[in-house]
Amino acid sequence: ETGVTQSPTHLIKTRGQQVTLRCSSQSGHNTVSWYQQALGQGPQFIFQYYREEENGRGNFPPRFSGLQFPNYSSELNVNALELDDSALYLCASSLVTAWGTEAFFGQGTRLTVV
Amino acid sequence: AQKVTQAQTEISVVEKEDVTLDCVYETRDTTYYLFWYKQPPSGELVFLIRRNSFDEQNEISGRYSWNFQKSTSSFNFTITASQVVDSAVYFCALSESAGAGGGNKLTFGTGTQLKVEL
Repeated sequence: ETGVTQSPTHLIKTRGQQVTLRCSSQSGHNTVSWYQQALGQGPQFIFQYYREEENGRGNFPPRFSGLQFPNYSSELNVNALELDDSALYLCASSLVTAWGTEAFFGQGTRLTVV
Repeated sequence: AQKVTQAQTEISVVEKEDVTLDCVYETRDTTYYLFWYKQPPSGELVFLIRRNSFDEQNEISGRYSWNFQKSTSSFNFTITASQVVDSAVYFCALSESAGAGGGNKLTFGTGTQLKVEL
């Protein structure tokens, strides 16, 4: 196990609703990244947080937002849910943001939008 | 933009066979990092290996080995004497800058589903 925990494990939401996903990073890790993995695809980078500030963002609309707390845990918020938002959301923590840093992933939250 | 291609969508082998998973990448950077991750049905991505662009030495770890060739932009992964527990989706990934904020991100391939049968 990596020490990265995500909650909830599964979630069903209705189109147009809002959702918050949570991630506790591995002890001592100050960087958290979020990825979206659609069925049959590789994970896609959403954004990264380092010391409570957004430190890079992928090609996702503003309705995807995040937070990182002083204890380095993190939240991913998605507003106005769409059917295409149905996916596995993965959180990854690492010690620093430098290139090549090994990222440790949680087990993911499987979101279904109906 | 950087890109990772895993042309093999699904591979099925019989236990104890050797199997090679292909990965081809595209990048304009001279310094970069490549990774392999394993994703079992539970969903968690398990780190297997990281290589930087200056280290083309092949690596062996137990039944796993990796062949990195910059000349062909490939980073292939071989499992020797496969076992049923090796059944999973395997992802190759490339590390790149996440933008002006200074962070980094992983660009993943689409994965190869490996099925090892008795």
